[in-house]
Amino acid sequence: DTGVSQNPRHKITKRGQNVTFRCDPISEHNRLYWYRQTLGQGPEFLTYFQNEAQLEKSRLLSDRFSAERPKGSFSTLEIQRTEQGDSAMYLCASSLTGGAYEQYFGPGTRLKVT
Amino acid sequence: EDQVTQSPEALRLQEGESSSLNCSYTVSGLRGLFWYRQDPGKGPEFLFTLYSAGEEKEKERLKATLTKKESFLHITAPKPEDSATYLCAVQATGSARQLTFGSGTQLTVLP
Repeated sequence: DTGVSQNPRHKITKRGQNVTFRCDPISEHNRLYWYRQTLGQGPEFLTYFQNEAQLEKSRLLSDRFSAERPKGSFSTLEIQRTEQGDSAMYLCASSLTGGAYEQYFGPGTRLKVT
Repeated sequence: EDQVTQSPEALRLQEGESSSLNCSYTVSGLRGLFWYRQDPGKGPEFLFTLYSAGEEKEKERLKATLTKKESFLHITAPKPEDSATYLCAVQATGSARQLTFGSGTQLTVLP
């Protein structure tokens, strides 16, 4: 399978706990993006990497959120001290570098904070 | 600030009943407009990229068109398997690379 993969697919955690999600992009793509999607809404941009460099972060990305892409391949998104408002689908996408290349999305990680 | 508005929010069609979905956008400069399909519980699936006004793209029963202010996704003779949420997104010119999405149109095609 050469698509974007994400793990875990589902995560239930208690408020205040830390969680970490992993994304493996399409192998030849050097851009990687994180989005968050709540029910009935379109995905909202969180952050993006070109290779290992984190180039943009949204205002949505509070200081409880941190993302890494240490070797320019897979990426992790960590949420510290989770809150109920963090419950959402977290989507990863990847693309080629250059103009308006389409972004290919993974299946997402659904987070529920109880 | 870039904005994308999709209408209608939901659309129910009988199998074979053609219709169009609308995506209105406001962006400082358009690098590209994207259409995605999303099935429940899954990530968005790429359909089309449109770059400039007047451009059209087709795939099976779907045809996407673009003007300077909006895009349409035309669905010809839809089938029940076309039922999904259709998302529109824009990417602006400049250094930003993120997509700004609309809230989607939930399409249901009844047999």
